[in-house]
Amino acid sequence: DQQVKQNSPSLSVQEGRISILNCDYTNSMFDYFLWYKKYPAEGPTFLISISSIKDKNEDGRFTVFLNKSAKHLSLHIVPSQPGDSAVYFCAAAYTGANSKLTFGKGITLSVRP
Amino acid sequence: SQTIHQWPATLVQPVGSPLSLECTVEGTSNPNLYWYRQAAGRGLQLLFYSVGIGQISSEVPQNLSASRPQDRQFILSSKKLLLSDSGFYLCAWKGLRAGNTIYFGEGSWLTVV
Repeated sequence: DQQVKQNSPSLSVQEGRISILNCDYTNSMFDYFLWYKKYPAEGPTFLISISSIKDKNEDGRFTVFLNKSAKHLSLHIVPSQPGDSAVYFCAAAYTGANSKLTFGKGITLSVRP
Repeated sequence: SQTIHQWPATLVQPVGSPLSLECTVEGTSNPNLYWYRQAAGRGLQLLFYSVGIGQISSEVPQNLSASRPQDRQFILSSKKLLLSDSGFYLCAWKGLRAGNTIYFGEGSWLTVV
């Protein structure tokens, strides 16, 4: 049973345009959500997170939106740059010292020059 | 600042041979430690996590084991590797004050031949 779903395996956008990466979850107990970016043969790096008490968090070109009623979150990258081309993982967790992250399968973003 | 390092970066091992991947964290005390595996089309799968020395929780039944002999050391092992053990293995840590964000090492590519 996959609790965090990234249903689109890939996305291709033009440089300078907006990239929208979607993520859905099924477990209503999740109250913290994160996005990680991963280049080939490297470990994922933390990008941005959001707590369930918020519906939006912004950090530079990256904004994460959370819709709790729909159990849906999205990552917006504006403007997209070729260096953003990578695999993006959505993750969710329960708040707590011993909480574990549950990851989606990832989505491969390609930004065309 | 905190750092995480895992080794070796790449490993080619024959079927039936043993495995030992090591991970160390610096700059923090009593972290939660994790071993993940990234397999094609399956995202990031949590294999083991540890909240303290000698405390190991296994998430999935498998041919692998983990140990935490010291506070900031986490080891992934196998007595006899299977072809299906091939993959990209990632060590990660979370500090007590880091909320739900975990930070990954560089990853280790294991190819079982």
